Amino acid sequence: ILNVEQSPQSLHVQEGDSTNFTCSFPSSNFYALHWYRWETAKSPEALFVMTLNGDEKKKGRISATLNTKEGYSYLYIKGSQPEDSATYLCAPTYNQGGKLIFGQGTELSVKP
Amino acid sequence: NAGVTQTPKFQVLKTGQSMTLQCAQDMNHEYMSWYRQDPGMGLRLIHYSVGAGITDQGEVPNGYNVSRSTTEDFPLRLLSAAPSQTSVYFCASSYAAQGPGANVLTFGAGSRLTVL
Repeated sequence: ILNVEQSPQSLHVQEGDSTNFTCSFPSSNFYALHWYRWETAKSPEALFVMTLNGDEKKKGRISATLNTKEGYSYLYIKGSQPEDSATYLCAPTYNQGGKLIFGQGTELSVKP
Repeated sequence: NAGVTQTPKFQVLKTGQSMTLQCAQDMNHEYMSWYRQDPGMGLRLIHYSVGAGITDQGEVPNGYNVSRSTTEDFPLRLLSAAPSQTSVYFCASSYAAQGPGANVLTFGAGSRLTVL
């Protein structure tokens, strides 16, 4: 059973705060790390796919970093807005791809 | 493009009944998968397929059956529904299970199933 851990489980911040959360995963035979954003009553949508150690991706105020040697990724949100409220999911893949096993997610709530 | 279409959106079953959740995609994706969403547990993989005629088990396959006779369709069958199968089910598809750009999933809108 693949152990993908995300922390914290939930996060409540004020509008304008910057925040970050963690995804930890087994590093052996790692291939890629996916981040998804999941708004309530909607379907998950892909944010980033990262493959290289030290890789950094950015989309607007959201960025992510990857450490494949120690098996973790950080997701950062700069100046959180209420529309950033969502559950953020990560999923590693192994051996050149294959099935996505998701962590349990970090639920972010941004209060105006 | 319709993307990933799931039907039905809502279903109520009695314990022991069987049913099929339909999933169809029109993007010529090789890879298709089914997940269930339960409170506090994120998305858990039930079954997946890397192409027509090929299926494999995910994390929680018991009580579910799948087949992949065409590239477009990946139905999920509940053989004898149990209250523990009450959940929201998501179908997702992507290009290629392997290689660069693989596995960027497009999700359907979800199917809410209640088993009484």
